[in-house]
Amino acid sequence: DVKVTQSSRYLVKRTGEKVFLECVQDMDHENMFWYRQDPGLGLRLIYFSYDVKMKEKGDIPEGYSVSREKKERFSLILESASTNQTSMYLCASSLRSPQETQYFGPGTRLLVL
Amino acid sequence: AQSVTQLDSQVPVFEEAPVELRCNYSSSVSVYLFWYVQYPNQGLQLLLKYLSGSTLVKGINGFEAEFNKSQTSFHLRKPSVHISDTAEYFCAVNNAGNMLTFGGGTRLMVKP
Repeated sequence: DVKVTQSSRYLVKRTGEKVFLECVQDMDHENMFWYRQDPGLGLRLIYFSYDVKMKEKGDIPEGYSVSREKKERFSLILESASTNQTSMYLCASSLRSPQETQYFGPGTRLLVL
Repeated sequence: AQSVTQLDSQVPVFEEAPVELRCNYSSSVSVYLFWYVQYPNQGLQLLLKYLSGSTLVKGINGFEAEFNKSQTSFHLRKPSVHISDTAEYFCAVNNAGNMLTFGGGTRLMVKP
C-alpha cells in the first residue's frame, strides 16, 4: 500500500513565525503536491513538484515556498505565518502520468494565532 | 482553464435510500475525471475515475459514476447508502496536465 505521511496532525503557531510542514511518501512517486483545504472551497493547489529540485506554482502560491531535495520528501514552508493561513494542509503523491491516482496524507491542521 | 462545480454542498439522506452527488466541469479539452472521498479526520482516497471508454464507471463501496460529455457532467450515484458512507466527496478534473482541479466538495450525511 502507498503511504503518505505528514509530520504533524495539528500545529499551533504565532503570526510571523516560520513554519515547516513535511511530507514523505514511500512509493517512489515522481509527483508530489501540497494542497490547502478550506470549507466550501475544496482543495486548492499550492505547489507541485514533478522531480527532485523541480517545482511549479499552483493556484495559490503566495506566502508559501517548497523544497524537494529528495524524491520521497516534499516540504511546505510558510516564511512568515499569517492568520489567513490557518487551514488544513494536505500532501499527495502520484506517478507521473495525469491518469494516475493521487494518494493523500492525513493532513495537518494549522492554526496561526 | 478548467473548473469544477459541485452543485450541492450538503446532501442529507436516510440509510438505504439512493443518492446522487452532482458534478459539472468546464474544460476546452478532453479530461480525466475523478471522485475522491474524505472520511472524518482522514485524507482523501480515490472512489473511482474515468479515463476513457465506457461512460459508466464503477468504484469502491458500491459507488458508480456516469460521464456525460454533452452535459459536461460526472455525477456520482449509489443505490442504497449506509451510515458508513457519511463523508465529504470531491469531484476533480485533470485536462492531461499534472494538476487536478477540485470542486468545493459535497458533504453526504446519512441518517438512521
